[in-house]
Amino acid sequence: EAGVTQSPTHLIKTRGQQATLRCSPISGHTSVYWYQQALGLGLQFLLWYDEGEERNRGNFPPRFSGRQFPNYSSELNVNALELEDSALYLCASSPGTGVFTDYGYTFGSGTRLTVV
Amino acid sequence: RKEVEQDPGPFNVPEGATVAFNCTYSNSASQSFFWYRQDCRKEPKLLMSVYSSGNEDGRFTAQLNRASQYISLLIRDSKLSDSATYLCVVKVGNNRKLIWGLGTSLAVNP
Repeated sequence: EAGVTQSPTHLIKTRGQQATLRCSPISGHTSVYWYQQALGLGLQFLLWYDEGEERNRGNFPPRFSGRQFPNYSSELNVNALELEDSALYLCASSPGTGVFTDYGYTFGSGTRLTVV
Repeated sequence: RKEVEQDPGPFNVPEGATVAFNCTYSNSASQSFFWYRQDCRKEPKLLMSVYSSGNEDGRFTAQLNRASQYISLLIRDSKLSDSATYLCVVKVGNNRKLIWGLGTSLAVNP
């Protein structure tokens, strides 16, 4: 069974540009989660999508947005990039809201975004 | 106060040693608890869930004390391959959001 896949692996952008990160969940999973891991700050929750809808959002500005497609894959968009957005962006997936999910999530290998 | 706090580390131990990590959480509504391990520049990987009765997986033992809002991880007979950062993770309520500690770095030396 394929795990969570993310692309690209690395992304270099200049300040002010937009970045688009992609995530494909494990087959059968309808929920997708995005996390940011900046140096020295630990993992921070960004977004949760399920069945195409945003279910929860972390404390990030509106320039962090995303969407989930009918096949449950997801995109994270970061507009007006700032140097502090440089981080590892991780995606995880799980079964949807109607399913008991008291287990840890499996993460993709992440996209390392560097803003210069 | 951080929602999830861990031992500052780093821990440097010889092979074969027993090492314990502690973690405290502030939200009494926390429902689920996990330990993840993260190797340098890689994604975190689930090590084990933590259950109220305590649970063991080989050389790893996790304990939960809900009254004290405290979680621990014990690693026995440390191996060189155990060198990593260990992250304490808490899930609060049903909003699916994981709250992460900053991690404790472990270096097992030959």
